[in-house]
Amino acid sequence: KNEVEQSPQNLTAQEGEFITINCSYSVGISALHWLQQHPGGGIVSLFMLSSGKKKHGRLIATINIQEKHSSLHITASHPRDSAVYICAVSSPVGREKLTFGTGTRLTIIP
Amino acid sequence: ETGVTQTPRHLVMGMTNKKSLKCEQHLGHNAMYWYKQSAKKPLELMFVYSLEERVENNSVPSRFSPECPNSSHLFLHLHTLQPEDSALYLCASSPRQVTGNEQFFGPGTRLTVL
Repeated sequence: KNEVEQSPQNLTAQEGEFITINCSYSVGISALHWLQQHPGGGIVSLFMLSSGKKKHGRLIATINIQEKHSSLHITASHPRDSAVYICAVSSPVGREKLTFGTGTRLTIIP
Repeated sequence: ETGVTQTPRHLVMGMTNKKSLKCEQHLGHNAMYWYKQSAKKPLELMFVYSLEERVENNSVPSRFSPECPNSSHLFLHLHTLQPEDSALYLCASSPRQVTGNEQFFGPGTRLTVL
């Protein structure tokens, strides 16, 4: 079992729908990261959070430390949101090491 | 554009070839990372350099040899690779090699080993 689990693995939705991607982790963390990877490979950091909620445009990320769970929400989804969304956690001890989930492939249909 | 560049973007090589991947960051960061991304598997950390010193080698085979000549440049030297080494190799950098830092990723090099 991976230390970081994401669900669903694949998600297809119509343009305009509200999207939720979930991430659960089984280890102690100092921070949780949400990353976006478009076809072609490049990865962009969307959020880094250790508590509560962050919002950037149509994207919202929440984390519940007690339940070891985070969600990424996309409001008014658009085809350009189609990408792989990756959850990663930072170890709380010592030097920076990210542990990654396998990603959620999101496809938004016009 | 994240400020981290990688060359080449695509590489096809035979098992007896020697090649190098290059990463350059223009962000003034002190830590740089090599990751491997294989199909249907999570990203795997390969190497970490902090202030040009290797601080982590994640049990990577010796056919992968990293080099960090200065804090802006990172290389991954490849020799006698196997077909299972075909993957996307991603470089990243962060301000410091301490926990909780955001990492900035390059576009990756898609490697195919024949």
